[in-house]
Amino acid sequence: DTEVTQTPKHLVMGMTNKKSLKCEQHMGHRAMYWYKQKAKKPPELMFVYSYEKLSINESVPSRFSPECPNSSLLNLHLHALQPEDSALYLCASSQNGRTETEAFFGQGTRLTVV
Amino acid sequence: DAKTTQPNSMESNEEEPVHLPCNHSTISGTDYIHWYRQLPSQGPEYVIHGLTSNVNNRMASLAIAEDRKSSTLILHRATLRDAAVYYCILRDNYGGSQGNLIFGKGTKLSVKP
Repeated sequence: DTEVTQTPKHLVMGMTNKKSLKCEQHMGHRAMYWYKQKAKKPPELMFVYSYEKLSINESVPSRFSPECPNSSLLNLHLHALQPEDSALYLCASSQNGRTETEAFFGQGTRLTVV
Repeated sequence: DAKTTQPNSMESNEEEPVHLPCNHSTISGTDYIHWYRQLPSQGPEYVIHGLTSNVNNRMASLAIAEDRKSSTLILHRATLRDAAVYYCILRDNYGGSQGNLIFGKGTKLSVKP
């Protein structure tokens, strides 16, 4: 099983809402990532978790709050987002985050903020 | 972050080989060269990766220059399904233990029937 599952596939939320994105993998991977992708642009790294600990935050605004409750699950909590935060949010995982390991990506959650 | 340079777009005919180039002149000794592709409306998909030697798998081949400053992804027989954006990425040792995937602009490959 080389699958990274993201839910929901689509999400529409208002600027005052609180919502969460979920990512799950059962490959035993210990590194997990959140990326943001705007239309016709490459994915941009947001957060990296290594062994359930946040190791990298790429200067992401605090309205995005990641959480890694266990080694299989990664959440992204959203609060007070802006319309410009509308994008495809991608989750990825890799065995241990080292340079020689490949990453597996989910299909993403397409978020629209209204 | 280490950087890569790729052509913005390339065209290929179906069933012909495709050579996708990538320059990475600032590569360091421990950076692995990774290739991913992203089909329309999908998440990125791993293609291949290597360090110094050429690599082959069921999807593609990766040819790495002797000085490691460039590499070429080779699709042996392009199909319509191979139309995608191809990203060449140096997975570096960010912070000494993490190998992050930082995407550049990639090459949009079009395949003509």
